[in-house]
Amino acid sequence: DAGVTQSPTHLIKTRGQQVTLRCSPKSGHDTVSWYQQALGQGPQFIFQYYEEEERQRGNFPDRFSGHQFPNYSSELNVNALLLGDSALYLCASDGGYGYTFGSGTRLTVV
Amino acid sequence: GQQVMQIPQYQHVQEGEDFTTYCNSSTTLSNIQWYKQRPGGHPVFLIQLVKSGEVKKQKRLTFQFGEAKKNSSLHITATQTTDVGTYFCAGRRSSNTGKLIFGQGTTLQVKP
Repeated sequence: DAGVTQSPTHLIKTRGQQVTLRCSPKSGHDTVSWYQQALGQGPQFIFQYYEEEERQRGNFPDRFSGHQFPNYSSELNVNALLLGDSALYLCASDGGYGYTFGSGTRLTVV
Repeated sequence: GQQVMQIPQYQHVQEGEDFTTYCNSSTTLSNIQWYKQRPGGHPVFLIQLVKSGEVKKQKRLTFQFGEAKKNSSLHITATQTTDVGTYFCAGRRSSNTGKLIFGQGTTLQVKP
């Protein structure tokens, strides 16, 4: 299966720590978007990467940064974690007609 | 900034009843997409609407895009327990490369 793969699936971190989440997009998809989904809410757009550049960004502080590699895989980094950063982080790859989401990384900040 | 609102937030129906969720954007959209998220799962793409007034059907699901391209609806006929989940609309303001903004979703519960 050539779906979207995210790792890790679950993560527990302490306030102030830093975290890196990883995403491999669907085969052939070159655009990766990251979303934060708090419990009971819709996904909130963090940023989008295309051709290794951040193309668009949502209303998230600079603590949230990312990277895209030549193979289109991507990382989301969050520095100085806050309790409010606890959420499901979703990676989506775009094939031009609808996003394919990964299963997400459940981040808990304690 | 661009906002996408959905109503209702929750809907409980008896199996066999119909269900409708409505989506409204603060800005004109180039296209709108619908996703379904099962409890504990991730959003799964259902459909994309592009044209003003467009109507698309998938079995018991009917999707509409408003004439002004600022609103959309999803209607499910004769709900089944397998329809349980949260339905999200997501809109793009410009082109196919614009960011996709999600509504807060409508959670559907179906009583057998």
